[in-house]
Amino acid sequence: DAGVIQSPRHEVTEMGQEVTLRCKPISGHNSLFWYRQTMMRGLELLIYFNNNVPIDDSGMPEDRFSAKMPNASFSTLKIQPSEPRDSAVYFCASSSKGQGSDEQFFGPGTRLTVL
Amino acid sequence: AQSVTQLGSHVSVSEGALVLLRCNYSSSVPPYLFWYVQYPNQGLQLLLKYTTGATLVKGINGFEAEFKKSETSFHLTKPSAHMSDAAEYFCAVTRSGGSNYKLTFGKGTLLTVNP
Repeated sequence: DAGVIQSPRHEVTEMGQEVTLRCKPISGHNSLFWYRQTMMRGLELLIYFNNNVPIDDSGMPEDRFSAKMPNASFSTLKIQPSEPRDSAVYFCASSSKGQGSDEQFFGPGTRLTVL
Repeated sequence: AQSVTQLGSHVSVSEGALVLLRCNYSSSVPPYLFWYVQYPNQGLQLLLKYTTGATLVKGINGFEAEFKKSETSFHLTKPSAHMSDAAEYFCAVTRSGGSNYKLTFGKGTLLTVNP
């Protein structure tokens, strides 16, 4: 199995630019999560999709952040405009049902640096 | 709401020594508890989880953890550390029952294994 696939693995951009992060969940999983990891705040849930529908976006920092899941095999997280404080590692994870007992499978992450 | 406290942001052990990583949780309802491991430049990987039943849970790579309700703890142990165990370890909690997808992670404990 390919696991959760994220692209790009590294992104360096300048403040004000648009950034798009991509995720392909494990086939057959119906739940998808976007997380952000920083030294200061640890691992934070940004948004949760179930069956391609956003269920909980309370973790999205502000309107500059948006996420979509147009189909079961693809999701994007967009930051527009980007700011230096958005620098972090962004993880996508998927699980089979989205239930609390389910294992979440994490992708390798995208390391974003905003200059 | 749930919360997780991992005591010790950095633990250093010698190869062959006991590994003990501490996790205490707070939850108003019975919890589901998880330990994830993160190797450098990789996503998180599930080590083990407690949902119901036996309170001593065995995971991959020789790790185990015991759910102690009276102490609100879920400490991770391994009898003999190996160099390959060097990584960051995260304890996480969610509410039991229903579709409680939201994992709350601790800040992580970095494990160093000395030869």
